[in-house]
Amino acid sequence: GAGVSQSPSNKVTEKGKDVELRCDPISGHTALYWYRQRLGQGLEFLIYFQGNSAPDKSGLPSDRFSAERTGESVSTLTIQRTQQEDSAVYLCASRPTGTGSWTDTQYFGPGTRLTVL
Amino acid sequence: GDSVTQMEGPVTLSEEAFLTINCTYTATGYPSLFWYVQYPGEGLQLLLKATKADDKGSNKGFEATYRKETTSFHLEKGSVQVSDSAVYFCALSNYGQNFVFGPGTRLSVLP
Repeated sequence: GAGVSQSPSNKVTEKGKDVELRCDPISGHTALYWYRQRLGQGLEFLIYFQGNSAPDKSGLPSDRFSAERTGESVSTLTIQRTQQEDSAVYLCASRPTGTGSWTDTQYFGPGTRLTVL
Repeated sequence: GDSVTQMEGPVTLSEEAFLTINCTYTATGYPSLFWYVQYPGEGLQLLLKATKADDKGSNKGFEATYRKETTSFHLEKGSVQVSDSAVYFCALSNYGQNFVFGPGTRLSVLP
């Protein structure tokens, strides 16, 4: 089936504006992650959703960042009052859950490149 | 907390050279270990993984062995190609929930 998709692929915005980034996970994957990847750097964990459990928000860098997920479907990452340091690629990944070692692999989307002018 | 350390890049090799990218980890419990690859302009893809001690993950000529005694998961390939040029990320997962990624190692293979 289809992989993880993200939209938009590129977003250019002005400092101070709000942006919404969307992630469509693989159907049936109950776990969903958001990461930030600054230019030339590694992945920075932002937030993790697992089914109907309370999300792990421990990686969100400030209260300008928030994310929602309805059930086991689409997730949106919202950044309010964007700053230039928010410029990065935002990656979404989903993971199946259940028993078995195949459940511990993440599948990544292509990312959304955010540029804040 | 859990952490992953990778060798600093960039690594530049000639085609057909031997590749090693070192990865060591610190974790509680018994993590699964992964190598992800990010080709230019693309998203991260799983390259290989291992879930228990002495397991060897392999794919596309790449190999890595889970060494619990040295807490390492070094990536190797006997003969690299230009098409292997990418950024390689070592990662761990404890119980499939939280994932921790290393900073990535950029590999450039010259013809």
